[in-house]
Amino acid sequence: EVQLLESGGGLVQPGGSLRLSCAASGFTFSSHAMSWVRQAPGKGLEWVSAISGGAGSTCYADSVKGRFTISRDNSKNTLYLQMNRLRAEDTAVYYCAQDKNDIAGATGFDYWGQGTLVTVSS
Amino acid sequence: QSALTQPASVSGSPGQSITISCTGTSSDVGGYNYVSWYQQHPGKAPKVMIYDVSNRPSGVSNRFSGSKSGNTASLTISGLQAEDEGDYYCSSYTSSSTLVFGGGTKVTVL
Repeated sequence: EVQLLESGGGLVQPGGSLRLSCAASGFTFSSHAMSWVRQAPGKGLEWVSAISGGAGSTCYADSVKGRFTISRDNSKNTLYLQMNRLRAEDTAVYYCAQDKNDIAGATGFDYWGQGTLVTVSS
Repeated sequence: QSALTQPASVSGSPGQSITISCTGTSSDVGGYNYVSWYQQHPGKAPKVMIYDVSNRPSGVSNRFSGSKSGNTASLTISGLQAEDEGDYYCSSYTSSSTLVFGGGTKVTVL
């Protein structure tokens, strides 16, 4: 059974940093691209970032480019999102999602975690 | 990258069929067969209902079907049931190797 478990969310001040983790199990982690998707309170889904299975390719939404960094440790079956220079508009539930493919970018998601809430506020 | 365009809401009576549209451009929906549809219930994570335009994952009811014509993809739910209520989102791969979602459609079963 595929499981994705996010952690690391919480309350952070504007301008601060946070690192999210997503522990994966139940599938060959290195064979799938992975993404982070967020959802602000009461709003729709927004794709944030993707990383290829071998970590050789990454891409970002314009809204987070230069502030967020996606990475993965295939030896630990774990996906990360380092978030710097956080803004109020980054407040959202952050989901990690398994892509059904392993190509540069994101094509669509087979499985989602339950999400972790990030609140940026003073 | 602009969000794909979906109607804000669609409703139908039990047993009826409804269709949700998802309009993009030739740089996303029209250019690739990587269109997916997700169902989301309040407080829950999204669940894939259709992938690659018209493929249904195992375990998803065959009442759900997807199609695409030009820059517009569609999700049809036939034999509408109360459990189909929720928010539905489309997504598409883009020419920039990114992914874009639609704004979401709230489905109400009357």
